[in-house]
Amino acid sequence: DTEVTQTPKHLVMGMTNKKSLKCEQHMGHRAMYWYKQKAKKPPELMFVYSYEKLSINESVPSRFSPECPNSSLLNLHLHALQPEDSALYLCASSIRGDLSGANVLTFGAGSRLTVL
Amino acid sequence: AQTVTQSQPEMSVQEAETVTLSCTYDTSESDYYLFWYKQPPSRQMILVIRQEAYKQQNATENRFSVNFQKAAKSFSLKISDSQLGDAAMYFCAVNAGGTSYGKLTFGQGTILTVHP
Repeated sequence: DTEVTQTPKHLVMGMTNKKSLKCEQHMGHRAMYWYKQKAKKPPELMFVYSYEKLSINESVPSRFSPECPNSSLLNLHLHALQPEDSALYLCASSIRGDLSGANVLTFGAGSRLTVL
Repeated sequence: AQTVTQSQPEMSVQEAETVTLSCTYDTSESDYYLFWYKQPPSRQMILVIRQEAYKQQNATENRFSVNFQKAAKSFSLKISDSQLGDAAMYFCAVNAGGTSYGKLTFGQGTILTVHP
């Protein structure tokens, strides 16, 4: 298995809803990432988990809550989002957990989030 | 800190022709890695090519090659024998150690159109 699988592909939620995005990889990768991407813009790093521990939090608002239950799974819990949070959320993983510059990221196809 | 600049928002090429996408970057680190990622309309970010900064030899992957000019901090991507499937948004990215540890920084992207 050489894929990063993200579910759901599309999600529409209201500002008072609680929802979650899920990311899974079975490649034995030791680091997992969440990126946010607005239309026609580059991805922006949100969180990095290394060896199942949160290593990087790019000052993301607390209405986004990441969780890494095990080395294969990464969740992003969403609560009280704003319409400006509508974006494509990309998950990625890398084989190395040391977060060096040599890391090659494998990306999922993303979850398209719309906040009404 | 590290930055990446792609000065061509859009480029177009005829099928079977060659096109070059430009990228300049800046980092204070001596050890870093450079990447080109492709994002087709399917949304998934796909690694095209990677270059280690300590290697003088330009990386090549089939029809894709780079022109890495370390002193000029330039990292352009050449696509030979362009195919319709090459149409996508192309992102140049840098990943260095130091204070940017673990963070892949992307340029603004270049939209490539391939005409039949």
